[in-house]
Amino acid sequence: KAGVTQTPRYLIKTRGQQVTLSCSPISGHRSVSWYQQTPGQGLQFLFEYFSETQRNKGNFPGRFSGRQFSNSRSEMNVSTLELGDSALYLCASSFPAGGKETQYFGPGTRLLVL
Amino acid sequence: DQQVKQNSPSLSVQEGRISILNCDYTNSMFDYFLWYKKYPAEGPTFLISISSIKDKNEDGRFTVFLNKSAKHLSLHIVPSQPGDSAVYFCAARNSGGSNYKLTFGKGTLLTVNP
Repeated sequence: KAGVTQTPRYLIKTRGQQVTLSCSPISGHRSVSWYQQTPGQGLQFLFEYFSETQRNKGNFPGRFSGRQFSNSRSEMNVSTLELGDSALYLCASSFPAGGKETQYFGPGTRLLVL
Repeated sequence: DQQVKQNSPSLSVQEGRISILNCDYTNSMFDYFLWYKKYPAEGPTFLISISSIKDKNEDGRFTVFLNKSAKHLSLHIVPSQPGDSAVYFCAARNSGGSNYKLTFGKGTLLTVNP
Protein backbone atom coordinates (compact mmCIF):
# COMPACT_ATOMS: atom_id res chain seq x y z
CA LYS A 1 0.00 0.00 0.00
CA ALA A 2 1.41 3.39 -0.92
CA GLY A 3 2.21 5.74 1.92
CA VAL A 4 1.19 9.33 2.45
CA THR A 5 2.42 11.55 -0.34
CA GLN A 6 2.95 15.29 -0.22
CA THR A 7 3.63 17.72 -3.01
CA PRO A 8 5.66 19.70 -3.58
CA ARG A 9 8.58 18.52 -1.46
CA TYR A 10 10.34 21.88 -1.48
CA LEU A 11 9.08 25.37 -2.04
CA ILE A 12 10.58 28.85 -1.94
CA LYS A 13 8.27 31.83 -1.68
CA THR A 14 8.62 35.49 -0.78
CA ARG A 15 6.85 37.40 1.95
CA GLY A 16 3.29 38.33 1.10
CA GLN A 17 2.76 35.49 -1.34
CA GLN A 18 0.43 32.60 -0.75
CA VAL A 19 1.10 28.89 -1.03
CA THR A 20 -0.93 25.71 -1.41
CA LEU A 21 0.38 22.35 -0.25
CA SER A 22 -1.15 19.02 -1.18
CA CYS A 23 -1.47 15.73 0.66
CA SER A 24 -2.72 12.35 -0.54
CA PRO A 25 -3.49 9.97 2.33
CA ILE A 26 -3.00 6.26 2.48
CA SER A 27 -5.77 4.50 0.56
CA GLY A 28 -8.75 3.96 2.84
CA HIS A 29 -7.71 6.58 5.37
CA ARG A 30 -10.30 9.29 5.78
CA SER A 31 -8.67 11.46 8.43
CA VAL A 32 -5.94 13.90 7.43
CA SER A 33 -4.05 16.05 9.90
CA TRP A 34 -1.53 18.81 9.25
CA TYR A 35 1.39 19.78 11.44
CA GLN A 36 4.07 22.45 11.30
CA GLN A 37 7.57 21.60 12.44
CA THR A 38 10.06 24.33 13.23
CA PRO A 39 13.42 24.07 15.03
CA GLY A 40 12.90 24.14 18.76
CA GLN A 41 9.10 23.93 18.57
CA GLY A 42 8.56 20.32 17.66
CA LEU A 43 5.40 19.42 15.78
CA GLN A 44 2.57 21.88 16.17
CA PHE A 45 -0.94 20.79 15.19
CA LEU A 46 -2.61 22.88 12.49
CA PHE A 47 -5.92 21.16 11.73
CA GLU A 48 -7.59 17.83 11.08
CA TYR A 49 -10.14 16.84 8.46
CA PHE A 50 -12.46 13.87 8.27
CA SER A 51 -14.95 13.28 5.47
CA GLU A 52 -14.40 16.78 4.09
CA THR A 53 -15.14 18.42 7.47
CA GLN A 54 -12.65 20.20 9.68
CA ARG A 55 -12.99 18.56 13.08
CA ASN A 56 -10.20 20.31 14.96
CA LYS A 57 -8.04 23.37 14.59
CA GLY A 58 -4.84 24.32 16.35
CA ASN A 59 -3.71 27.74 17.52
CA PHE A 60 -2.66 29.22 14.22
CA PRO A 61 -3.83 32.48 12.63
CA GLY A 62 -6.56 32.52 10.02
CA ARG A 63 -3.94 32.82 7.28
CA PHE A 64 -3.63 29.05 7.61
CA SER A 65 -6.54 27.19 6.09
CA GLY A 66 -7.25 23.81 4.64
CA ARG A 67 -9.77 21.64 2.96
CA GLN A 68 -10.42 18.01 2.15
CA PHE A 69 -11.90 16.57 -1.00
CA SER A 70 -14.30 13.68 -1.44
CA ASN A 71 -11.38 11.35 -2.25
CA SER A 72 -9.81 12.29 1.13
CA ARG A 73 -6.99 14.25 -0.50
CA SER A 74 -6.29 17.43 1.40
CA GLU A 75 -4.76 20.81 0.74
CA MET A 76 -3.55 23.49 3.08
CA ASN A 77 -3.17 27.10 2.12
CA VAL A 78 -1.13 29.83 3.75
CA SER A 79 -1.88 33.36 2.64
CA THR A 80 0.22 36.48 3.11
CA LEU A 81 3.34 34.51 3.93
CA GLU A 82 5.63 35.70 6.72
CA LEU A 83 9.28 34.83 7.34
CA GLY A 84 8.20 32.84 10.40
CA ASP A 85 6.15 30.51 8.23
CA SER A 86 9.35 28.86 7.03
CA ALA A 87 9.00 25.30 8.28
CA LEU A 88 8.47 21.68 7.42
CA TYR A 89 4.78 21.04 6.89
CA LEU A 90 3.74 17.49 7.59
CA CYS A 91 0.57 15.71 6.68
CA ALA A 92 -0.60 12.56 8.43
CA SER A 93 -3.46 10.20 7.69
CA SER A 94 -5.23 7.65 9.84
CA PHE A 95 -8.01 5.08 9.80
CA PRO A 96 -10.76 5.27 12.45
CA ALA A 97 -9.81 3.21 15.50
CA GLY A 98 -11.99 4.40 18.35
CA GLY A 99 -9.60 7.09 19.43
CA LYS A 100 -6.52 4.91 19.21
CA GLU A 101 -5.64 5.82 15.66
CA THR A 102 -2.06 5.72 14.52
CA GLN A 103 -1.22 8.67 12.35
CA TYR A 104 1.07 7.89 9.42
CA PHE A 105 3.12 10.78 8.15
CA GLY A 106 4.19 11.86 4.72
CA PRO A 107 7.69 13.13 3.94
CA GLY A 108 6.68 16.75 4.38
CA THR A 109 6.92 19.92 2.34
CA ARG A 110 9.85 22.16 3.21
CA LEU A 111 8.73 25.78 2.80
CA LEU A 112 11.23 28.61 2.80
CA VAL A 113 9.91 32.16 2.91
CA LEU A 114 12.37 34.87 1.85
CA ASP B 1 1.87 25.24 28.05
CA GLN B 2 3.85 22.19 27.04
CA GLN B 3 1.72 19.18 27.85
CA VAL B 4 4.24 16.62 26.60
CA LYS B 5 7.85 17.07 27.58
CA GLN B 6 11.01 15.35 26.49
CA ASN B 7 13.55 16.87 28.81
CA SER B 8 16.64 15.39 27.17
CA PRO B 9 17.34 17.10 23.84
CA SER B 10 19.99 14.51 23.03
CA LEU B 11 21.28 11.10 24.07
CA SER B 12 24.42 9.27 23.02
CA VAL B 13 24.72 5.49 23.39
CA GLN B 14 27.19 2.83 22.37
CA GLU B 15 26.12 0.25 19.81
CA GLY B 16 24.72 -2.88 21.47
CA ARG B 17 23.77 -1.08 24.68
CA ILE B 18 20.33 -0.02 25.81
CA SER B 19 18.86 3.36 24.82
CA ILE B 20 16.27 4.82 27.17
CA LEU B 21 14.26 7.79 26.00
CA ASN B 22 11.98 9.51 28.45
CA CYS B 23 8.76 11.48 28.15
CA ASP B 24 6.57 13.22 30.73
CA TYR B 25 3.05 14.53 30.31
CA THR B 26 0.88 16.83 32.37
CA ASN B 27 -2.59 16.32 30.91
CA SER B 28 -4.30 13.59 32.92
CA MET B 29 -6.81 13.10 30.10
CA PHE B 30 -4.12 11.62 27.85
CA ASP B 31 -4.59 7.88 27.62
CA TYR B 32 -2.97 6.87 24.36
CA PHE B 33 0.70 7.35 23.65
CA LEU B 34 2.88 6.86 20.60
CA TRP B 35 6.56 7.03 19.73
CA TYR B 36 7.80 8.18 16.37
CA LYS B 37 11.28 8.19 14.87
CA LYS B 38 12.33 10.89 12.45
CA TYR B 39 15.31 11.05 10.11
CA PRO B 40 16.33 14.39 8.58
CA ALA B 41 14.31 15.37 5.50
CA GLU B 42 11.75 12.62 6.16
CA GLY B 43 8.41 12.49 7.92
CA PRO B 44 8.09 10.81 11.33
CA THR B 45 7.78 7.03 11.24
CA PHE B 46 5.51 5.28 13.73
CA LEU B 47 7.37 2.96 16.10
CA ILE B 48 5.15 1.76 18.90
CA SER B 49 2.13 2.79 20.93
CA ILE B 50 0.62 2.06 24.31
CA SER B 51 -2.80 2.50 25.80
CA SER B 52 -3.22 3.54 29.42
CA ILE B 53 -4.81 0.19 30.26
CA LYS B 54 -1.35 -1.32 29.87
CA ASP B 55 1.95 -0.51 31.50
CA LYS B 56 4.19 -2.15 28.93
CA ASN B 57 4.16 -2.90 25.23
CA GLU B 58 6.88 -4.66 23.27
CA ASP B 59 7.67 -4.86 19.58
CA GLY B 60 10.96 -6.47 18.74
CA ARG B 61 13.82 -4.34 20.05
CA PHE B 62 11.42 -1.61 21.17
CA THR B 63 9.58 -1.57 24.50
CA VAL B 64 7.48 1.26 25.86
CA PHE B 65 6.76 1.54 29.58
CA LEU B 66 3.96 3.67 31.00
CA ASN B 67 3.78 4.87 34.60
CA LYS B 68 0.39 6.55 34.87
CA SER B 69 0.79 7.71 38.45
CA ALA B 70 4.00 9.52 37.53
CA LYS B 71 2.65 10.61 34.14
CA HIS B 72 5.81 9.23 32.63
CA LEU B 73 6.64 6.95 29.75
CA SER B 74 9.87 5.65 28.38
CA LEU B 75 11.05 3.94 25.23
CA HIS B 76 13.73 1.27 25.54
CA ILE B 77 15.72 0.15 22.53
CA VAL B 78 17.73 -3.02 23.04
CA PRO B 79 20.21 -3.56 21.54
CA SER B 80 20.84 -0.15 20.03
CA GLN B 81 22.10 -0.03 16.46
CA PRO B 82 23.72 2.81 14.50
CA GLY B 83 20.64 2.88 12.22
CA ASP B 84 18.58 3.88 15.26
CA SER B 85 20.28 7.28 15.24
CA ALA B 86 17.41 9.72 14.68
CA VAL B 87 15.14 12.14 16.52
CA TYR B 88 12.52 10.38 18.64
CA PHE B 89 9.20 12.04 19.37
CA CYS B 90 6.76 11.11 22.07
CA ALA B 91 3.09 11.90 21.31
CA ALA B 92 -0.11 11.69 23.32
CA ARG B 93 -3.86 12.09 22.94
CA ASN B 94 -7.14 11.67 24.75
CA SER B 95 -8.74 8.72 22.96
CA GLY B 96 -12.16 9.48 24.39
CA GLY B 97 -12.22 13.12 23.47
CA SER B 98 -13.39 14.89 20.35
CA ASN B 99 -10.00 16.40 19.72
CA TYR B 100 -8.21 14.14 17.28
CA LYS B 101 -4.86 15.84 17.38
CA LEU B 102 -1.67 14.35 18.70
CA THR B 103 0.33 16.46 21.12
CA PHE B 104 4.04 16.00 20.56
CA GLY B 105 7.12 16.52 22.67
CA LYS B 106 10.01 18.42 21.15
CA GLY B 107 12.02 15.31 20.48
CA THR B 108 15.23 13.67 21.63
CA LEU B 109 18.15 13.21 19.25
CA LEU B 110 19.55 9.71 19.72
CA THR B 111 23.05 9.01 18.48
CA VAL B 112 24.23 5.40 18.51
CA ASN B 113 27.98 5.18 18.17
CA PRO B 114 29.56 2.15 16.45
